[in-house]
Amino acid sequence: SQQGEEDPQALSIQEGENATMNCSYKTSINNLQWYRQNSGRGLVHLILIRSNEREKHSGRLRVTLDTSKKSSSLLITASRAADTASYFCATDGRGSTKGAQKLVFGQGTRLTINP
Amino acid sequence: NAGVMQNPRHLVRRRGQEARLRCSPMKGHSHVYWYRQLPEEGLKFMVYLQKENIIDESGMPKERFSAEFPKEGPSILRIQQVVRGDSAAYFCASSPPVDSKQFFGPGTRLTVL
Repeated sequence: SQQGEEDPQALSIQEGENATMNCSYKTSINNLQWYRQNSGRGLVHLILIRSNEREKHSGRLRVTLDTSKKSSSLLITASRAADTASYFCATDGRGSTKGAQKLVFGQGTRLTINP
Repeated sequence: NAGVMQNPRHLVRRRGQEARLRCSPMKGHSHVYWYRQLPEEGLKFMVYLQKENIIDESGMPKERFSAEFPKEGPSILRIQQVVRGDSAAYFCASSPPVDSKQFFGPGTRLTVL
């Protein structure tokens, strides 16, 4: 079964630096999404990139998708202390049975921004 | 437009009791998903429902777990005879009929003593 896997598992950088997180998956997808989760809280949707897109921007976020390598990256530029959180990629399966759109999440990258 | 609502936010049960978790989707969303998250792990899909129908329950344990999304009212995830291994955060998400973007609720943190 497909599985999103993020790396690194943990990342600690100084405020103002850029943070890059990677995600790999195993099967064909319709789209890939990135979510943020603050400690003990729910998930916040960050960005969705479709399988026919290669790059997408949203504010300080930049997401790339390489379907030939089955990988995606999330770049956060000019990081802030408030960006400290866990970041998850999630994929849905192309041709999922019954039209289901269940998401498959990776283990996440725990990002710490040091002031 | 209120977001996805879940209640209770925290639930404590003793082994053998029943746990009922509720989820109200966003207005206009007819698709509901339940996920479970163990500590330090990602979310694992459990079940996908539309009004009065279970579409995909491939992630649901075969026993003790059930879910429904009635015509009126919230979606319910029910865990019978809870065990300590059921302790986790349970998240509900909803989406409109034709959109992959899922909006998540704040979760219910279940603790089984």
